[in-house]
Amino acid sequence: DAGITQSPRHKVTETGTPVTLRCHQTENHRYMYWYRQDPGHGLRLIHYSYGVKDTDKGEVSDGYSVSRSKTEDFLLTLESATSSQTSVYFCAISAAGGHGDTQYFGPGTRLTVL
Amino acid sequence: DQQVKQNSPSLSVQEGRISILNCDYTNSMFDYFLWYKKYPAEGPTFLISISSIKDKNEDGRFTVFLNKSAKHLSLHIVPSQPGDSAVYFCAASARTGNQFYFGTGTSLTVIP
Repeated sequence: DAGITQSPRHKVTETGTPVTLRCHQTENHRYMYWYRQDPGHGLRLIHYSYGVKDTDKGEVSDGYSVSRSKTEDFLLTLESATSSQTSVYFCAISAAGGHGDTQYFGPGTRLTVL
Repeated sequence: DQQVKQNSPSLSVQEGRISILNCDYTNSMFDYFLWYKKYPAEGPTFLISISSIKDKNEDGRFTVFLNKSAKHLSLHIVPSQPGDSAVYFCAASARTGNQFYFGTGTSLTVIP
């Protein structure tokens, strides 16, 4: 199994509070991704990183920001959480991005915004 | 706009029979396709992939078929086992990009 951990695994928070989710990898892969999974929508890309300090937006980036200061860590921040951000969040890594490579996923973080 | 589509939200199959999961895509730049399997409360796990230079790839009980002209791929599981009950996602990527695009998933139930 790819060495990917996510923390916390579960979180309940209130509307308007900031939340940061962490993804940590031990594979030294260049690419890291944050997805959210919602019923009827599958996996939707929030943001991704193609190197330290290099990030780009995905399909559903509004209300989210990311940072990557080290190869192994990719942080997802909800500046002011809303109920629509209640979801399961998955981090993924890839050595070569979309260039015929495979993505490997972490175990997920279940976030509930009350 | 959904570039990868799985039009069947669910599928039920008897144990021992063949399961066929379908996926369609719209972007002709996609050249690499993957299937993932997801159990509840776990992250998706990679199952099998296929490059656009092939039309078939086989790994044990799992075979993926690619029809480029129809922009369609399918995953065949033979024989199906109860442990195969999960949600299956197809995904696609393009050599020119950094992203993977996922379908909405098909929930497979294999009935013992």
